[in-house]
Amino acid sequence: GAGVSQSPSNKVTEKGKDVELRCDPISGHTALYWYRQSLGQGLEFLIYFQGNSAPDKSGLPSDRFSAERTGGSVSTLTIQRTQQEDSAVYLCASSLVQGSHEQYFGPGTRLTVT
Amino acid sequence: SQQGEEDPQALSIQEGENATMNCSYKTSINNLQWYRQNSGRGLVHLILIRSNEREKHSGRLRVTLDTSKKSSSLLITASRAADTASYFCATVAIKAAGNKLTFGGGTRVLVKP
Repeated sequence: GAGVSQSPSNKVTEKGKDVELRCDPISGHTALYWYRQSLGQGLEFLIYFQGNSAPDKSGLPSDRFSAERTGGSVSTLTIQRTQQEDSAVYLCASSLVQGSHEQYFGPGTRLTVT
Repeated sequence: SQQGEEDPQALSIQEGENATMNCSYKTSINNLQWYRQNSGRGLVHLILIRSNEREKHSGRLRVTLDTSKKSSSLLITASRAADTASYFCATVAIKAAGNKLTFGGGTRVLVKP
């Protein structure tokens, strides 16, 4: 079946602009995660959604970052007033809550803030 | 922030040789997982070892876990050029909500044909 998809694959934006990154998880996966990977910080957790529960936002680096998950499926990560330090690859993953804790990752969105 | 460190940061071996990389972590864990990443994009899950397990095998992969030392190792036997990638360990802490992963810094492996 289809894996996790993310769009766009690449995004170049000017400092100060807002960006939206999209993630389509694997159908039936109730858990959805956002991570980002940057040269300076490595791979770090951003936010987690599980069903209708309140999301775990403990990894969001600032209040410029927000995310939502509509209808328990598609998720959008929004970065407002982008800064150069936001440049990174943003990775989305989904998983089943029960059973294996394996997470399935999308190909990522490479964000470059100029 | 990252959970711990991986060692070595980079590894270059000949095809057919074994590759071993180590991971250290800081907190008590529920499980530890290894992922592979090609070309700096999506990660692929390789193997999961639970905190009550000491060793696990999957094909050419062998993972060990020492919870007393808070460390794990990944061994790739009979390496192939296609194994060239970055390898990351990731932990799920005991008190972590939702199985969120905390990653190590990764080991870049180059397998020369």
